[in-house]
This record gives sequence, C-alpha cells and structure tokens, in this order.
Amino acid sequence: DAMVIQNPRYQVTQFGKPVTLSCSQTLNHNVMYWYQQKSSQAPKLLFHYYDKDFNNEADTPDNFQSRRPNTSFCFLDIRSPGLGDAAMYLCATSSDRGNQPQHFGDGTRLSIL
Amino acid sequence: KNQVEQSPQSLIILEGKNCTLQCNYTVSPFSNLRWYKQDTGRGPVSLTIMTFSENTKSNGRYTATLDADTKQSSLHITASQLSDSASYICVVSERHFNKFYFGSGTKLNVKP
Repeated sequence: DAMVIQNPRYQVTQFGKPVTLSCSQTLNHNVMYWYQQKSSQAPKLLFHYYDKDFNNEADTPDNFQSRRPNTSFCFLDIRSPGLGDAAMYLCATSSDRGNQPQHFGDGTRLSIL
Repeated sequence: KNQVEQSPQSLIILEGKNCTLQCNYTVSPFSNLRWYKQDTGRGPVSLTIMTFSENTKSNGRYTATLDADTKQSSLHITASQLSDSASYICVVSERHFNKFYFGSGTKLNVKP
C-alpha cells in the first residue's frame, strides 16, 4: 500500500545529459514537494506545487524544473546535470501546507558519471 | 534568522537503553514542530507533530516534548531496539508563509 512512489530508485546519468525523476501518489494530496538531500545533510526544498500552483524556492538553480500534469504525478527535470547534482531526491506530499504532515517517498538516488 | 539546530550530531547506545535527542529552534512565528525518522536509503517517516499548545506527545516508545517558551524540543526513545538505528530529523514550520525549516538530524546507532 505504498502511498508516495518514486521511480526509479536509482538513476545514473552522464554529465550534462537531461534526466527526469518521477513521483506518484495515491493519497490525493493537494501539495507535492521535491527535495534534494546530500549525504548526512537535511533535505533541501527545491520547489512545491499547491494544486497546479508552482512555488519555486529562491535559491533553486534554473537547471531544475518541475511538471505536475495531474494530481497524482509530479516530475523533476534536471536539464544539464552537473557533478554537484548527485544526491538523493525526495518527493513528498501533504493534504495542505501548514499543519499537515508530509508523506515522503523513498527517494531516487541520482549518480552523475 | 530562522534556524533549527539538533544535538547531538550522532549517538551510539546499547540496545535496551533510553536516549534523548534535542532540537532547538529560532523559527518565528511558530506553527508546529515535527519529528521524522529516516532509515538509511529511505524517505523520512513522521513520528509526531506538535503545535504550540502541546507539551508532550507519545507514539509508542517515542515521546516528544515541546517548550515553546524556550523554543526547545526533545525526542525521548525508551527501551531502544536495533530498528531504531536511523537519522532523526526535527522540522519546524513558520506560520505566516507556510515555510518549514529542517534540522540536520541526529544519527542514532543502536548496538546489540
């Protein structure tokens, strides 16, 4: 009964080659988040969708884009991955912003060759 | 500046022992504080969420406390088990802009 599913769990790409990570949810939550987490660090919020409303964090590089075609799916596009983009990418959902807990997927670990 | 600091950075305890993890924050205005458990290679899982008026909340062997006056929270783990080995992350939400701030986590290692 997985609720937030991220595919693939492991992704290897070449330096500069575009890559897309996907996230789906069965919770019907309004909000979907993308985080970047590097080793032994806290997750860093990249952006989130509230329904179709996209909210970008001020320090998220332009290299990172996102799409949410419907309530259930959200994609993270990295247009030209650099070595510094190697990380775990976590997707999370919540029924609302504010007091509602976030439900995380198990992440996609991205490696850059 | 809104910040969340956790201590210790890492902790090793023997199975069956108790331990307490700390979270201090400067986030204002405060909305809520959450503790998450993150197993290696997995996403964080919510343990507790505490609002301004709550002092203590339990979830099995996990008990979280909140002192909103001193802006401190603790997570107490009772009778630790090997499966408690994980990172524990404190997340504090700010009320006006619905932003939240992550601590860098405490890595707990429970040894047999």
